[in-house]
Amino acid sequence: DTGVSQDPRHKITKRGQNVTFRCDPISEHNRLYWYRQTLGQGPEFLTYFQNEAQLEKSRLLSDRFSAERPKGSFSTLEIQRTEQGDSAMYLCASSRLSGGSEAQYFGPGTRLLVL
Amino acid sequence: GESVGLHLPTLSVQEGDNSIINCAYSNSASDYFIWYKQESGKGPQFIIDIRSNMDKRQGQRVTVLLNKTVKHLSLQIAATQPGDSAVYFCAESRSGSARQLTFGSGTQLTVLP
Repeated sequence: DTGVSQDPRHKITKRGQNVTFRCDPISEHNRLYWYRQTLGQGPEFLTYFQNEAQLEKSRLLSDRFSAERPKGSFSTLEIQRTEQGDSAMYLCASSRLSGGSEAQYFGPGTRLLVL
Repeated sequence: GESVGLHLPTLSVQEGDNSIINCAYSNSASDYFIWYKQESGKGPQFIIDIRSNMDKRQGQRVTVLLNKTVKHLSLQIAATQPGDSAVYFCAESRSGSARQLTFGSGTQLTVLP
């Protein structure tokens, strides 16, 4: 257990529905990342928060995706009008710059299946 | 474009032997590298990291070697145990960015009894 938690762990939805995932990072970490991982591949970066500010978004993040981190603690990732291609594992990671280490610690992920 | 790749998709080793997992990266601006272990159905687990101003770093039973000249990274696991069976990813990032990680596709390590 890294200290990063994600909810739900699994989500099955029908195409066209909206889904929302939550991430609770390690409490003293001010940096929070979302990644997406498909079967057999490494995670791909989606977006990054420093405190409550969303500072970077990948081109992978279409306008159907939105992420928030309203109080600089937990974060949510919403996918609107889900498509079958959205089926993947959604991973959250957190980090802080401390003594030169910027290691990102990942949560267990939310596995999404869009039918 | 940027890429982080692994030389071998699968690696099988006998229990008790040492394992070496290799990784090549193409972005010369990368200055920070991490190795992760991922077991089935779980998130990536941090193993060890290294900055580009170092060429070697050791942890508990693991050593990471960085060769910036040929853009090569390796993870050595000493006395491999059955619990080491997993997919191993290397990842890189560079300063000036959000420090987002770029991952390779992973190497499946299988430890044989």
